[in-house]
Amino acid sequence: RKEVEQDPGPFNVPEGATVAFNCTYSNSASQSFFWYRQDCRKEPKLLMSVYSSGNEDGRFTAQLNRASQYISLLIRDSKLSDSATYLCVVNYRGSQGNLIFGKGTKLSVKP
Amino acid sequence: DAGVIQSPRHEVTEMGQEVTLRCKPISGHNSLFWYRQTMMRGLELLIYFNNNVPIDDSGMPEDRFSAKMPNASFSTLKIQPSEPRDSAVYFCASSLDRPEAFFGQGTRLTVV
Repeated sequence: RKEVEQDPGPFNVPEGATVAFNCTYSNSASQSFFWYRQDCRKEPKLLMSVYSSGNEDGRFTAQLNRASQYISLLIRDSKLSDSATYLCVVNYRGSQGNLIFGKGTKLSVKP
Repeated sequence: DAGVIQSPRHEVTEMGQEVTLRCKPISGHNSLFWYRQTMMRGLELLIYFNNNVPIDDSGMPEDRFSAKMPNASFSTLKIQPSEPRDSAVYFCASSLDRPEAFFGQGTRLTVV
């Protein structure tokens, strides 16, 4: 079983739609959780951290369920510019990093 | 602010040749990571350094791969000899006492 699993998609949605991505992780010792965004032929960039209480950044909402080892990302009012691959990331070695990446979910927002 | 700088951006080489990828982390960061990305396997951690010391190299595929960090501002990833299955995008990333990392633009390696 892979350490971080995501639905690869692609998710094809119209502008303005709400879309949700899910991710599961296998290591219960995981401590930190993130969503990264990767545009085509570019490097991954941090989108947001994920906290147990849930957190929101504009149109983006992230949720963490430690009991189920499940992470989600919700994008509201999707824009064409949201088209990218979204990578679920976990870390279980504290501040020294060692980020474990899922393979990503591809999102395509259409006009 | 200068981000993580990698060179070269693209590299095409023949099987059996030595390849050296270079990385300059963000100034002041104390952790440096080398990742490899392929369609089949996604992003895989090869090795990471903390304060210039290799902490975990369990992701290095085999002895053909080696990495060094002689000082806080420079690291290399070397493949010798290279093979076609090494073709991938190699990313360097750095961080400062936090789990999230900042990535360079990557080196796209093609071994023919």
